[in-house]
Amino acid sequence: DAGITQSPRHKVTETGTPVTLRCHQTENHRYMYWYRQDPGHGLRLIHYSYGVKDTDKGEVSDGYSVSRSKTEDFLLTLESATSSQTSVYFCAISGLAGGTGELFFGEGSRLTVL
Amino acid sequence: QKEVEQDPGPLSVPEGAIVSLNCTYSNSAFQYFMWYRQYSRKGPELLMYTYSSGNKEDGRFTAQVDKSSKYISLFIRDSQPSDSATYLCAGKGRQGGSEKLVFGKGTKLTVNP
Repeated sequence: DAGITQSPRHKVTETGTPVTLRCHQTENHRYMYWYRQDPGHGLRLIHYSYGVKDTDKGEVSDGYSVSRSKTEDFLLTLESATSSQTSVYFCAISGLAGGTGELFFGEGSRLTVL
Repeated sequence: QKEVEQDPGPLSVPEGAIVSLNCTYSNSAFQYFMWYRQYSRKGPELLMYTYSSGNKEDGRFTAQVDKSSKYISLFIRDSQPSDSATYLCAGKGRQGGSEKLVFGKGTKLTVNP
């Protein structure tokens, strides 16, 4: 299994509170991604990183910010959580962006916003 | 229209059946096509990928892409209860100077012993 650890794995929070999810990898892969997975929508890209301090938006980035200060860590922050952000969040890593670059996913972080 | 469309199922088959999972896509820039398998409460894992049109076989699994009709298929022969999972198709290609990867919504498969 690819060395990806997500924390926390489960979190319940209230509307308006800040939340940070952490993704830690031991593979030294350049590319890191945050996805959310919802019934009826599948996997959707929130933000991604192509190197330390290099990040870009995905298709559903509103309400989320990210940071990558070290190769191994990619943080996803919800500045003020809303109920629409209740979801399962997956971190993924890849050694290549193009071609057959395989995504390796973490186990997921299940977030409930009340 | 979503760039990758996939029937969410669910699909329930008896053990030993041949399973056919299908997707359509609309983005002509897609050159790589993948199938990911996701067990319940786990992250997706890559099952197979194909480049452009054609078939690729790996044991009981065959991936097929028809670019003329923009159709992606995964066939599972002699299906086993351990194949019960959600299967996600995905298309990938270079667009606007960056790589774009789009997943289908996933089809939930149950193989009954």
